[in-house]
Parts: sequence; C-alpha cells; structure tokens
Amino acid sequence: QQQVKQSPQSLIVQKGGISIINCAYENTAFDYFPWYQQFPGKGPALLIAIRPDVSEKKEGRFTISFNKSAKQFSLHIMDSQPGDSATYFCAASRVTSGSRLTFGEGTQLTVNP
Amino acid sequence: NAGVMQNPRHLVRRRGQEARLRCSPMKGHSHVYWYRQLPEEGLKFMVYLQKENIIDESGMPKERFSAEFPKEGPSILRIQQVVRGDSAAYFCASSRPTYNEQFFGPGTRLTVL
Repeated sequence: QQQVKQSPQSLIVQKGGISIINCAYENTAFDYFPWYQQFPGKGPALLIAIRPDVSEKKEGRFTISFNKSAKQFSLHIMDSQPGDSATYFCAASRVTSGSRLTFGEGTQLTVNP
Repeated sequence: NAGVMQNPRHLVRRRGQEARLRCSPMKGHSHVYWYRQLPEEGLKFMVYLQKENIIDESGMPKERFSAEFPKEGPSILRIQQVVRGDSAAYFCASSRPTYNEQFFGPGTRLTVL
C-alpha cells in the first residue's frame, strides 16, 4: 500500500518536444506529491509539488497534473531542452513534516538536440 | 544561504570497517531524514530524526546501522562492519517543522571494497 509506481523507466525526446512521466500511488492517506530532478553524481533537487486539492500546477515549463480518483499524477515538461536530461523521481507522502517520502523508481530522460 | 551539507562526498571502506556519514541541515530546519539509493534504484527511506530524538527508524536495517542527531553538531549515520551490499549513495534531507518540503544534500557515495 506504500508503493509508488513510475513509468516509463526511460524516455527519449527531441528538443522542443513534450516529456511526460506518469506515477500512480496506492495509499489514499498521501496528500503531498513532489517531483525531484537528479543529475548524475548530485542529490535530488525539488522541482515542483502538488496537493490533492488542485488538479494542475504549473511552474515555468513544468506542469503537474493530478487525478485524485485514479490515484495518478504526471509531470509534463514543455519545450524540453538538452539541459533537462536527468533522472526524474516522483514521490508521495503526508504533507505534515516528519513524513517519509515514498519514491517512484525513476525515469531517465534524454533530450536530443 | 547554504543548503543541506553532507560529508564526506565519497567514502571508501574495506569490509568490516566502520563508516560515518555526516549531515548538516539547512538553516531553520530541525527535521532530518536519511535515504539510501542503491545503484540503478530509487531512494529508500531509512530514518527520521529531530534534535536528540529518533522519531522513525522503520526503514533502517536492524543490525549494524544507527543514526543520531545531537543537540549540537551534525546528524550522523553510522554503519558498523560494512559489507559490499552497503555500497550505495546515502542522502540526507531536511525540512522545517511545519511542512514536509524536503531538501536534499549532495549525498555521500560509499564504496565497500
């Protein structure tokens, strides 16, 4: 019940295209859904996060779509750039501080020039 | 405005030795979390601490692993009698008391020979 399933495992997109990464969770107690970006040899960097009271959140080229009834959420990267090439992790937890993040398995994104 | 600091960044140990990993949270953050990332895998929660208290260690292996967050100084993750399977990247994250927005450090990459 604590799992977060992420797909695809890897994704190749042309520069300027849209990258879409999907996640599904099981635990209905989760109410905080962040996305992290990780470059090789670095720590995960918080990219954008959403609460279940909204269906979409946009920050620059990054958008989270959230479907509470389906228990799914996705990250859309518009106008993908080679500099976006990284591993992306979705996560889920309670919003209250002290709650562990449960991570998806990660998606390795490659944006070709 | 320093972020989460971890040291050392790389640590090499022989089987049977001890590994000590240190983490200093962001300024104003009193909650510390440790996660482990095995090669080609996602991040797994290990332990959550506040000053002088271990709040949740349910993700920590029962033997050889311990963590502390003393009143003064950094949080320490200690691995005794390391084995090759302990080779991984260990990440520390911190958050404020009120909200579960977790910021990660650069990690310590442990290699056990």
